[in-house]
Amino acid sequence: NAGVTQTPKFQVLKTGQSMTLQCAQDMNHEYMSWYRQDPGMGLRLIHYSVGAGITDQGEVPNGYNVSRSTTEDFPLRLLSAAPSQTSVYFCASSYSSFDSSYNEQFFGPGTRLTVL
Amino acid sequence: AQTVTQSQPEMSVQEAETVTLSCTYDTSESDYYLFWYKQPPSRQMILVIRQEAYKQQNATENRFSVNFQKAAKSFSLKISDSQLGDAAMYFCAYRSMNYGGSQGNLIFGKGTKLSVKP
Repeated sequence: NAGVTQTPKFQVLKTGQSMTLQCAQDMNHEYMSWYRQDPGMGLRLIHYSVGAGITDQGEVPNGYNVSRSTTEDFPLRLLSAAPSQTSVYFCASSYSSFDSSYNEQFFGPGTRLTVL
Repeated sequence: AQTVTQSQPEMSVQEAETVTLSCTYDTSESDYYLFWYKQPPSRQMILVIRQEAYKQQNATENRFSVNFQKAAKSFSLKISDSQLGDAAMYFCAYRSMNYGGSQGNLIFGKGTKLSVKP
């Protein structure tokens, strides 16, 4: 049971380049989310998914695309990287349930992205 | 929309002493979850403690406990017998019990950086 995995751990891009941040979970969680963490800003929601084939925007979605073709995978695509997207990116997953035993979001190790 | 506020950007505590980190939140919902996450220099987000709003009893996990004041919308974290390994960024987070749409996600405060002095 690997939990939530993210690749790569570090990435440097040039302005205008595109790339995909990978996220996978093996806990059969319905909910998956992408957050970005910036100094002094906490974590902010980019996109989320409540199940395979269903995605929606969070607080800061501009410049990012997502898709959810399987329960396990939830990649985040940067279409044309900008310096403002320099950040640490976290993927998280959880069950979709009212049971308090299952309300925890599990986080991946994060990806540090620098856009020059 | 819900908001979470952590008013202490940085805190410092002496090893073996007790420290309290503050968190307030705003919501119109009556049922929700509150969490404290720890983020050490490794960057990994680690769940420290959780509280269900419908439970009056404050949650406790070993040296970590919370003071949950629902009417005041306050959710502070107390760390007793502080250890060097407690040095980290701490985030307070809110999650709705309504799992429709974006409400199943976490809303974070901006964090408090805790330093532990030997």
